[in-house]
Amino acid sequence: GDSVTQMEGPVTLSEEAFLTINCTYTATGYPSLFWYVQYPGEGLQLLLKATKADDKGSNKGFEATYRKETTSFHLEKGSVQVSDSAVYFCALSDWNNQGGKLIFGQGTELSVKP
Amino acid sequence: DVKVTQSSRYLVKRTGEKVFLECVQDMDHENMFWYRQDPGLGLRLIYFSYDVKMKEKGDIPEGYSVSREKKERFSLILESASTNQTSMYLCASSSPASGRPNEQYFGPGTRLTVT
Repeated sequence: GDSVTQMEGPVTLSEEAFLTINCTYTATGYPSLFWYVQYPGEGLQLLLKATKADDKGSNKGFEATYRKETTSFHLEKGSVQVSDSAVYFCALSDWNNQGGKLIFGQGTELSVKP
Repeated sequence: DVKVTQSSRYLVKRTGEKVFLECVQDMDHENMFWYRQDPGLGLRLIYFSYDVKMKEKGDIPEGYSVSREKKERFSLILESASTNQTSMYLCASSSPASGRPNEQYFGPGTRLTVT
């Protein structure tokens, strides 16, 4: 079945460092891909998405490109801030006519130190 | 903004108790979902619902049931709580009619401890 694999955490970075969180997927068909973020004590919120191959999703300085040839959707940010400390989840859609279920990776915890 | 609320942030129950977790969304979304979140396992889908009185099993439905009597409310029921059901429970909703059917909106979660 469909699945999502993320790099293990926790990831600890200094402020202004470059961030990459790897995400690869296995899917039949042509899923949409998502990154969700969970700040401490909160539920998940959508960070960015891409719906087809070579699409780039971006938001709040984060970017991810849908790479069909490598089945990847790596999350990047050029300069992280302490406020980016959170758990990041990669997900793919499982489309059906009534609206898609999401399949999530295991999450990657990011800690940014001042 | 879409708001998804869950009845409790923290809950402590005893083994064998019947537990109700309530979720309410205020944006008229058709779809609602219940997940549990465990370290190293990500989010796993328990049940979901596409419409009132409709329910579908997710990946880990054993030990759980759900109820959706009104469009805005989706309840998760633990018929007889067990210690292995200690977890964070997250509710979410989405709307195919919005043109963004795969964008799910999450509640803040209920951290359930079963002793």
